[in-house]
Amino acid sequence: NAGVTQTPKFRVLKTGQSMTLLCAQDMNHEYMYWYRQDPGMGLRLIHYSVGEGTTAKGEVPDGYNVSRLKKQNFLLGLESAAPSQTSVYFCASSYPGSPYGYTFGSGTRLTVV
Amino acid sequence: TQLLEQSPQFLSIQEGENLTVYCNSSSVFSSLQWYRQEPGEGPVLLVTVVTGGEVKKLKRLTFQFGDARKDSSLHITAAQPGDTGLYLCAGTKDSFQKLVFGTGTRLLVSP
Repeated sequence: NAGVTQTPKFRVLKTGQSMTLLCAQDMNHEYMYWYRQDPGMGLRLIHYSVGEGTTAKGEVPDGYNVSRLKKQNFLLGLESAAPSQTSVYFCASSYPGSPYGYTFGSGTRLTVV
Repeated sequence: TQLLEQSPQFLSIQEGENLTVYCNSSSVFSSLQWYRQEPGEGPVLLVTVVTGGEVKKLKRLTFQFGDARKDSSLHITAAQPGDTGLYLCAGTKDSFQKLVFGTGTRLLVSP
């Protein structure tokens, strides 16, 4: 099915470990975003990209890095995981000026112990 | 900084009741969207409103954007168990469509 695919769906990390979350979309969307969702705080923007090869910081970028080497992929990296990064991570994509909003992936539940 | 505050945070009602969810901000948004999220899934867009005072209807759901484009409401008529979920408002202020999300309203509709 067309849409946004996130891998993995679940992951447990030890403090200090690193990992990469992968987001892939097949809708030819220009814009891609990484959000984290925590109880009572809604979704907060970590990083975003407005095109291949470009990235920018969002509201809560510390401790994360991103890359968009291909238009369809947006990678989120944690270099040294901390318990404060325990969260559900969502990737989303959109098209400039689209009235159809974001298309979200189904999320990655990350626990850092 | 949470720019969008939703109320109530949690709502538990019986099937057939009406309800209203509010989304308020001190900032002006160029557009506002409402999403519904079910457990284990990402949010799904319900509606986008872009004009101050705009009212949109989606079956039993009525969405309104405030005249000053700082607030919005979602009204559900005759709620059904299938309406259960987390409702999120989200506003955008720039051309890159970066969405600022509200704190969410969790709705439980019991048969």
